[in-house]
Amino acid sequence: KAGVTQTPRYLIKTRGQQVTLSCSPISGHRSVSWYQQTPGQGLQFLFEYFSETQRNKGNFPGRFSGRQFSNSRSEMNVSTLELGDSALYLCASSRNMGRGNEKLFFGSGTQLSVL
Amino acid sequence: GQQVMQIPQYQHVQEGEDFTTYCNSSTTLSNIQWYKQRPGGHPVFLIQLVKSGEVKKQKRLTFQFGEAKKNSSLHITATQTTDVGTYFCAGPETLNTNAGKSTFGDGTTLTVKP
Repeated sequence: KAGVTQTPRYLIKTRGQQVTLSCSPISGHRSVSWYQQTPGQGLQFLFEYFSETQRNKGNFPGRFSGRQFSNSRSEMNVSTLELGDSALYLCASSRNMGRGNEKLFFGSGTQLSVL
Repeated sequence: GQQVMQIPQYQHVQEGEDFTTYCNSSTTLSNIQWYKQRPGGHPVFLIQLVKSGEVKKQKRLTFQFGEAKKNSSLHITATQTTDVGTYFCAGPETLNTNAGKSTFGDGTTLTVKP
């Protein structure tokens, strides 16, 4: 069974640009969560999608948005990029909507560098 | 909001020594999970603890959930170079069980000197 697939693996952008990251969950998994990982801040929760609806959102500005499609694939968009957005963006899928007790399967992440 | 703290942030050990990382939550947890992230890799689920005082073992790894369900620990006996990585704990708030999000600790990074 294929794991969680994230594309692209690496991305270099400049300030002010926007970026879209993609995540394909494990087949049969309906929940997709996004996390931002930086050396100083650890894993910060961005949002969770289940059945094409955002179910929960972390404390990130509105520049960070996402969506989920009917096949459970999810995209995350960051507009007006800032230097501080440089991070590893991880997507995690789970079979059902998480109540914090679902086993999360992480993708390899997208390493975003903002210059 | 809920805070999940881990100590120590870094731990350097000689191969064969034991290692322990501690996870403390500002609120009661309904469950706690542990993940391991190898250098350059992504977090991988290790285990979930649910019951107060629960202890689970995976070979050389021992996981404990505190009686008050506000803290947890991971102990590795006789570390090996394959244990290198960052260990994260994660848990939801008991009062917010419908939130669906896991709050991760900042992790403990373990390095092992051969």
